[in-house]
Amino acid sequence: EADIYQTPRYLVIGTGKKITLECSQTMGHDKMYWYQQDPGMELHLIHYSYGVNSTEKGDLSSESTVSRIRTEHFPLTLESARPSHTSQYLCASSDRAIEAQYFGPGTRLLVL
Amino acid sequence: AQSVTQLDSHVSVSEGTPVLLRCNYSSSYSPSLFWYVQHPNKGLQLLLKYTSAATLVKGINGFEAEFKKSETSFHLTKPSAHMSDAAEYFCVVSAAGAGSYQLTFGKGTKLSVIP
Repeated sequence: EADIYQTPRYLVIGTGKKITLECSQTMGHDKMYWYQQDPGMELHLIHYSYGVNSTEKGDLSSESTVSRIRTEHFPLTLESARPSHTSQYLCASSDRAIEAQYFGPGTRLLVL
Repeated sequence: AQSVTQLDSHVSVSEGTPVLLRCNYSSSYSPSLFWYVQHPNKGLQLLLKYTSAATLVKGINGFEAEFKKSETSFHLTKPSAHMSDAAEYFCVVSAAGAGSYQLTFGKGTKLSVIP
């Protein structure tokens, strides 16, 4: 059983608000990832990190930002939420880059 | 470059009958391949993985997949479907040794199981 947690699980907010989606893992994995998934669609990588103080943008352009100050914590921030940000956000981690990634339960975000 | 094609967007089977979910991949390097399952309103769960060991890979819940390099395929099978297998399934490729550290996901196959 993978130990990776995301909070909140569900979030409804108004346009223009700043939000932070939390992701934590207790497996000591160096590598962590954020994906965006619209209903019925595939996952798109938006951010990843190979270790503390390392962050990179993924394949899908995103207005969000991330930070990696501690190994176990990889929060994602939207400075000003818009309805186009409505989606599901999935966090994952892995021990090695080519190995399987373990996913959290996801955060479903609705921006009104 | 790498890519994944899941050949069926939706598969429907009767309970107790075999399941076949098809996946083809392309990769310039020796790939690692994975199957994930996603139940409604849940995160993704790893079913099984192939990382250059045995070509027939056994996973959880009775699923298995066979890596066929000549056909560039990694189809997922299960001898007998159960109602709890109804979910979305994603085939995923990672190019080992390519300097590419990201997973590429297929578009998913929705499995329906008819009682």
